[in-house]
Amino acid sequence: GAVVSQHPSRVICKSGTSVKIECRSLDFQATTMFWYRQFPKQSLMLMATSNEGSKATYEQGVEKDKFLINHASLTLSTLTVTSAHPEDSSFYICSAAGDSTYEQYFGPGTRLTVT
Amino acid sequence: GEDVEQSLFLSVREGDSSVINCTYTDSSSTYLYWYKQEPGAGLQLLTYIFSNMDMKQDQRLTVLLNKKDKHLSLRIADTQTGDSAIYFCAEKSGGYNKLIFGAGTRLAVHP
Repeated sequence: GAVVSQHPSRVICKSGTSVKIECRSLDFQATTMFWYRQFPKQSLMLMATSNEGSKATYEQGVEKDKFLINHASLTLSTLTVTSAHPEDSSFYICSAAGDSTYEQYFGPGTRLTVT
Repeated sequence: GEDVEQSLFLSVREGDSSVINCTYTDSSSTYLYWYKQEPGAGLQLLTYIFSNMDMKQDQRLTVLLNKKDKHLSLRIADTQTGDSAIYFCAEKSGGYNKLIFGAGTRLAVHP
């Protein structure tokens, strides 16, 4: 399957600061990228869907001004958690899908801890 | 609305078969998926089945789909300790490949 990377894999930041997480599709062009959040021992919650070159579509209850998503190229999407608070601590996972594929490839995830 | 449900835990003996079950509500689902997640890692696509299929086999994995009952199962033959992980069932919904996930089934394999 295709390879999707995330960077960083783990980040600790202070409350009030912003953190940027990168998601890259390494060997295919990802027209659509997804951002998920996973709490311990729980399922993945879709936060937003982004298509290259257009604004992200956020799921109900997800604050778009807090979770800024940019999908500027076919291989890179970024999620910026602005003014992070301890309740934003979570495992963030991205996935990528090509234009005509039914498969969605997941990154390894980023563990965010806000102190 | 869309909903995917799974049992939360399954324990099997090494060498036995494991069967993980999943039910979903969206009758318009086109693809159904099984993903595996090991601790601290992302999701690995194990297999998928198109909604017009009843069964798909891939080495030790067998997926059965009962579209009438909206029931999906994953059978792992000759379960090994390396199969211990969380298994997520997911359905594809909507025009942007949006996936709806179940809560995950934690599979524990013991000697």
